Amino acid sequence: RKEVEQDPGPFNVPEGATVAFNCTYSNSASQSFFWYRQDCRKEPKLLMSVYSSGNEDGRFTAQLNRASQYISLLIRDSKLSDSATYLCVVSHNDMRFGAGTRLTVKP
Amino acid sequence: EAGVTQSPTHLIKTRGQQVTLRCSPISGHTSVYWYQQALGLGLQFLLWYDEGEERNRGNFPPRFSGRQFPNYSSELNVNALELEDSALYLCASSQPGTSGRAMSYNEQFFGPGTRLTVL
Repeated sequence: RKEVEQDPGPFNVPEGATVAFNCTYSNSASQSFFWYRQDCRKEPKLLMSVYSSGNEDGRFTAQLNRASQYISLLIRDSKLSDSATYLCVVSHNDMRFGAGTRLTVKP
Repeated sequence: EAGVTQSPTHLIKTRGQQVTLRCSPISGHTSVYWYQQALGLGLQFLLWYDEGEERNRGNFPPRFSGRQFPNYSSELNVNALELEDSALYLCASSQPGTSGRAMSYNEQFFGPGTRLTVL
């Protein structure tokens, strides 16, 4: 079993849609959680950290369920510029990246 | 503020050769991480350095090695290159924790990567 598993995707959605990504992790001792986005042939960039209480940043909402070892990212009112690969990241002694979920937002 | 920088941006080598990749972290960051991202695959953790010491290592053979210098910049060395080493090599840096110690779970900021092609 992979340490960090994500929805395989790809997700193709129209502008304005709401889309949700899921991620599960295997190490119950994991301490920190993040969502990164990676544009094609570019480096990953931090989108948001994920806190136990859940957190929101504009159109983006992240949730963490430690009991189920599950992380989610919700994107509301999708924009064309949201098209990217979204990486779930879990940290214990080092950062472990999921394989990513590709999102394409279409006009 | 300058971000993480890496050099070179692209590199072409042949099987059996050796390569050295370089990374300069964001000013004030003491930790440097190296990742390999093969085409179509996720990021694979290679190495973590902090304060000149190797703190953790991913599941890669010993021909992948590195070091961190007193100014916190870092090198990744790959010996005896194989075709499957062709990938984007990403460096990231992070701040020390609030106690001043390196923390594995601080946010990481990535450089643009070095794209290595092994022929």
